[in-house]
Amino acid sequence: QSALTQPASVSGSPGQSITISCTGTSSDVGGYNYVSWYQQHPGKAPKLMIYDVSKRPSGVSNRFSGSKSGNTASLTISGLQAEDEADYYCSSYTSSSTWVFGGGTKLTVL
Amino acid sequence: EVQLLESGGGLVQPGGSLRLSCAASGFTFSSYAMSWVRQAPGKGLEWVSTISGSGLSTYFADSVKGRFTVSRDNSKNTLYLQMNSLRAEDTAVYSCAKDLREQLVLNYMDVWGKGTTVTVSS
Repeated sequence: QSALTQPASVSGSPGQSITISCTGTSSDVGGYNYVSWYQQHPGKAPKLMIYDVSKRPSGVSNRFSGSKSGNTASLTISGLQAEDEADYYCSSYTSSSTWVFGGGTKLTVL
Repeated sequence: EVQLLESGGGLVQPGGSLRLSCAASGFTFSSYAMSWVRQAPGKGLEWVSTISGSGLSTYFADSVKGRFTVSRDNSKNTLYLQMNSLRAEDTAVYSCAKDLREQLVLNYMDVWGKGTTVTVSS
């Protein structure tokens, strides 16, 4: 159950788009369409932003989108806003009937 | 309003035990899988355990398998995590979370509690 690999940090200016990658293996990200993404502001509980690779829960802005290619999933945030500054985590179901998170990515809005 | 409230955290010596509880309200508890997720100080999220709505299916991370058990009392709308043989590396904030969809176990956690702190130290 190795953690999925995410970049430690990404940054962008307001209005720009950024993409956060989440790399796993064929036993997790690549093998199932059960990838989700969470946003966590400091001191707050995580918030579900994307599930089933690319679906958005009710209430989540359409500026957030998800995709997957092979063993790598991606979260794209378009029209970057100051409030998007947070930590982001991906998660995937695995072939061991377990779940694994990524190490997390700190997004800085410049 | 859908709410989750954890309790039971505290300071425990290595090798000790602790039972966490998560009281749920505002939704049909028995219809949803529930999970425990932990976050060590300054670290990322770590999935710990999941239990189906009926309680018949349970899942554990390798790091806690054999030491932790998860259960639920659907008559009391409460989720539990029994933690035995605790280690320093179990020190974290433990949060319970509700699955997004009824009757499925997909670990899409749409409601989270604020967490309870577990510190394992002598």
